[in-house]
Amino acid sequence: KAGVTQTPRYLIKTRGQQVTLSCSPISGHRSVSWYQQTPGQGLQFLFEYFSETQRNKGNFPGRFSGRQFSNSRSEMNVSTLELGDSALYLCASSLSGTGEETQYFGPGTRLLVL
Amino acid sequence: AQKITQTQPGMFVQEKEAVTLDCTYDTSDPSYGLFWYKQPSSGEMIFLIYQGSYDQQNATEGRYSLNFQKARKSANLVISASQLGDSAMYFCAMRGRNTGGFKTIFGAGTRLFVKA
Repeated sequence: KAGVTQTPRYLIKTRGQQVTLSCSPISGHRSVSWYQQTPGQGLQFLFEYFSETQRNKGNFPGRFSGRQFSNSRSEMNVSTLELGDSALYLCASSLSGTGEETQYFGPGTRLLVL
Repeated sequence: AQKITQTQPGMFVQEKEAVTLDCTYDTSDPSYGLFWYKQPSSGEMIFLIYQGSYDQQNATEGRYSLNFQKARKSANLVISASQLGDSAMYFCAMRGRNTGGFKTIFGAGTRLFVKA
């Protein structure tokens, strides 16, 4: 079974631009979560989607948004990029997103904002 | 508030020896899951082991075992017979119900160095 895939793997943008990252979960998984990882803040939860609905959201500004499609693929969008948005963005999937389930992560997208 | 604490920023271990990575947690959720992930320099988070809050026995997965002490709120990872390929960052994580859904919180991580 294929793992979680994320595209693109690397991205360079300039301040003020917007970016869209994509995540394809493991087949059959309906819950997709997004995390931001930076050296200073560590791993922080962005949001979680299940059946095309955002179920939970972390403490990030409204510039960060996401969506999930009927095939469970998810995208996250960051508008008006800031230098501090440079990070590794990780996507994780699980069957239904309960606490007892294991989340499986993708390889991440490394975003550099110049 | 939910919190994961990993007090060891870095650890060294000799190849073939065992090592324990510490993790303590705090939560008010009655039911939760505890996880350990390994992150090599490539960046991908690799799932290692899971422990449910109601599991009576400690979880084991090959060379990995989780020393779960619920009363002390600790979930230490034990790696037996360390290998050079075990050098990586290790994250302790917890998932519990949060309004409207579940989210995972992570500790700051422990960087493990395995010496030949």
